[in-house]
Amino acid sequence: TQLLEQSPQFLSIQEGENLTVYCNSSSVFSSLQWYRQEPGEGPVLLVTVVTGGEVKKLKRLTFQFGDARKDSSLHITAAQPGDTGLYLCAAGGAGTASKLTFGTGTRLQVTL
Amino acid sequence: DTGVSQNPRHKITKRGQNVTFRCDPISEHNRLYWYRQTLGQGPEFLTYFQNEAQLEKSRLLSDRFSAERPKGSFSTLEIQRTEQGDSAMYLCASSIRLAVTGELFFGEGSRLTVL
Repeated sequence: TQLLEQSPQFLSIQEGENLTVYCNSSSVFSSLQWYRQEPGEGPVLLVTVVTGGEVKKLKRLTFQFGDARKDSSLHITAAQPGDTGLYLCAAGGAGTASKLTFGTGTRLQVTL
Repeated sequence: DTGVSQNPRHKITKRGQNVTFRCDPISEHNRLYWYRQTLGQGPEFLTYFQNEAQLEKSRLLSDRFSAERPKGSFSTLEIQRTEQGDSAMYLCASSIRLAVTGELFFGEGSRLTVL
């Protein structure tokens, strides 16, 4: 069973601060995804990374896939209250594989 | 709206009662997944279907849980003799089998509270 450990579990910061969330595993993944989930809603895909060392940017969010494809990070620059939510990494499920396994989650709260 | 649809959004029931949740996936998606999520945690896999075939079930899915996808379109998840520990958000997601990176598209979830 793939285990995805995320850190920190909870992060409370003020608007304008920067932060990094980590997703780590002992397994190698063909791809890894990041989702954001708001209270009372289902997770929504933010990005998929597939190549070791890959960096993808989505506005103020920067995602990196580790060189060995065992870990990933999400960096948010100048956080805003709208970034508040549960950030989830997930892996597996590609092509003929079956389920997607989710990480333990990082709950981010951005206050004014 | 062509996204994944789940109903009911909320269900409150007494311990011992049966409940059923429905999921309507995105129409061209042949894979359908059920996950369970408790507060502040990541979703935990329960089961998934490819078309009408149920291909994998988690050990989390006890004998009281049953899922069906009779015509390869919508799916139902039934919980019999509910227990307080069944209280959670039940999430449905769909995907296309041949998608290279296996992205899932989630519904808004069905929140179950067992009193």
